[in-house]
Formats: sequence, structure tokens, C-alpha cells
Amino acid sequence: DVQMTQSPSNLAASPGESVSINCKASKSISKYLAWYQQKPGKANKLLIYSGSTLQSGTPSRFSGSGSGTDFTLTIRNLEPEDFGLYYCQQHNEYPNTFGAGTKLELK
Amino acid sequence: QIQLVQSGPELKKPGESVKISCKASGYTFTNYGMYWVKQAPGQGLQYMGWINTETGKPTYADDFKGRFVFFLETSASTAYLQINNLKNEDMATYFCARSFWCGLQWCPFAYWGQGTLVTVSS
Repeated sequence: DVQMTQSPSNLAASPGESVSINCKASKSISKYLAWYQQKPGKANKLLIYSGSTLQSGTPSRFSGSGSGTDFTLTIRNLEPEDFGLYYCQQHNEYPNTFGAGTKLELK
Repeated sequence: QIQLVQSGPELKKPGESVKISCKASGYTFTNYGMYWVKQAPGQGLQYMGWINTETGKPTYADDFKGRFVFFLETSASTAYLQINNLKNEDMATYFCARSFWCGLQWCPFAYWGQGTLVTVSS
């Protein structure tokens, strides 16, 4: 199985700042990486897929980059609603493994 | 609109079985596979596998072979996860999820159930 290593595990930032979350695959997954947001009381939300394609409804302050083994989720100009958990998932091969998550907290 | 609505929380003893339902609405049930994801307390998401809703064929990730069963009630647009011989480490929130058509063999999950908490305690 492809192992997904996410970093950092925790991240503290203030509204208006920009942050980046990294995800590294144990082997090449081409461009097929998705990013999700998880918040208490809300359904998990798909933000980005295929590395950089924004899912419908995802604000443009979110962007994804990378290919092969190294990927980055960048959130520019943080809004209060952006704080929560973020997970990467490879969708190149079965099983579609997840990273361990990054908790984005308010500084 | 597309919805996945899961059954409520469960409290079970070790060795018992639990059955979690995931009722789909807003689309043709057999057009998309149903996926299951585990989240242990304070932990990340773990991919459990999926069931082909057209054929009923389940496929399990390695960690979920044996005691875990995916099955369908197609007439009710409902997918089920059954866990047999519950162990303490099965205590978790379980999610059902559905992908969307992205033009690839494996597409990420655009739709998620709200999660079902399974508590295992003697």
C-alpha cells in the first residue's frame, strides 16, 4: 500500500495569514492526490483532487500543487472557518490511503 | 440533493456484533460504489474498502479482512457495515462515503455520511 506522510501534524496561524501543509507519498502517485477538511459537526469536505483541481464550491484561497511523491496544500488569507483538520488521500491506486492529518489551529 | 445518512451511535460489548447503515438519496444508488472509512478516537482517517453497488461485490483493505462485512439492501438504497466479534480497537467513528465521476478509476469522496460512533466497552 502507498504510505502517505503528512506534515506538520499541528499548525497554528492567525486569520489573514497563509499556511502550507505537505503530503509525501511512499511512491509516485502521479498527480492523484486529494485534500479534505474535517470539522466537528460537519460532513467531511473534499477541497481539491488530482493535485490541484478545486472541487466545486472550494474557495479560491485554497490551492494544491505537486506531483509524483510531494504535494502541498496552501491556504492564503486564512478565514476563521478554515481552522480544523486537513487530510490528504491518494486516489491513484487501491487502497486509497490517507495521511495522518494536520490540525490547523487558531494562534 | 445527494445525502448519505447513517444510523445512530452504538454501544456494544467485546465479542458482540454491530451493524451500521448508510442510506443514500438524491442519486441512482447503483451508479456509484460505496466506501467505508474508520476514524479511531483522536486519530486520522483509515480507508476500509468499498462495495460495488451494482454487483454487490465487496473489497476490503488488508486491515479489515475477516470480521468486517459490507453488504447492500439495494431496494432501500442502503449500504451496511457489519463488524463481528467486536474488539476494543474497533471503537471508532465509521463513515460511509461516495465518490464522484472524475474520469479516473479511483475518484475521491465528494459525499460523506455524518459518521456513526461505535463504543466498545464491557
